[in-house]
Amino acid sequence: DAKTTQPNSMESNEEEPVHLPCNHSTISGTDYIHWYRQLPSQGPEYVIHGLTSNVNNRMASLAIAEDRKSSTLILHRATLRDAAVYYCILSGGSNYKLTFGKGTLLTVNP
Amino acid sequence: NAGVMQNPRHLVRRRGQEARLRCSPVKGHSHVYWYRQLPEEGLKFMVYLQKENIIDESGMPKERFSAEFPKEGPSILRIQQVVRGDSAAYFCASSPLKQGETQYFGPGTRLLVL
Repeated sequence: DAKTTQPNSMESNEEEPVHLPCNHSTISGTDYIHWYRQLPSQGPEYVIHGLTSNVNNRMASLAIAEDRKSSTLILHRATLRDAAVYYCILSGGSNYKLTFGKGTLLTVNP
Repeated sequence: NAGVMQNPRHLVRRRGQEARLRCSPVKGHSHVYWYRQLPEEGLKFMVYLQKENIIDESGMPKERFSAEFPKEGPSILRIQQVVRGDSAAYFCASSPLKQGETQYFGPGTRLLVL
């Protein structure tokens, strides 16, 4: 399974943008880049996903490098409710097993 | 629109008892996945089911664990003769299709074995 590498933790201030990086140098051509987040004592929540082009939705933006070996999840204005563990996961094609690593623990300061 | 529903949300069992965890996927989704999260660890894939079929159970312990997704009704994860090491959060996810489709997770069932 293709692996991803994320920083263990990041910190942000409320209402500031947050850029969460992810490296996936062994990504295959059929792998989608998914981002999930998990708030304490809750199930993982889908955030966004993409294949090659940058993607935007109401929650976040996903910027994908041209060579697809890295991506960045962008929260445009962090709120206290965005404090969670963020997971960058590769899936798609025949790879339906989501592999959750340690993710990035995002702390948002008021 | 109801998301993935799981019940019970919390389950306490004594060693040797059986635990039954239920998962109702998003309406219209025919693919169900079960994951387990041990304390202080990440989620680990257990099993992937379609209606009436087990597609991949490679992540499920060989003994005591079974899963089903009948034609009618919720998916069931069954753990027989529970042991303390089974204490974990069990999450169910569903997707409309398999390949490249997003999986949507339920709130989980937290199993505590005394």
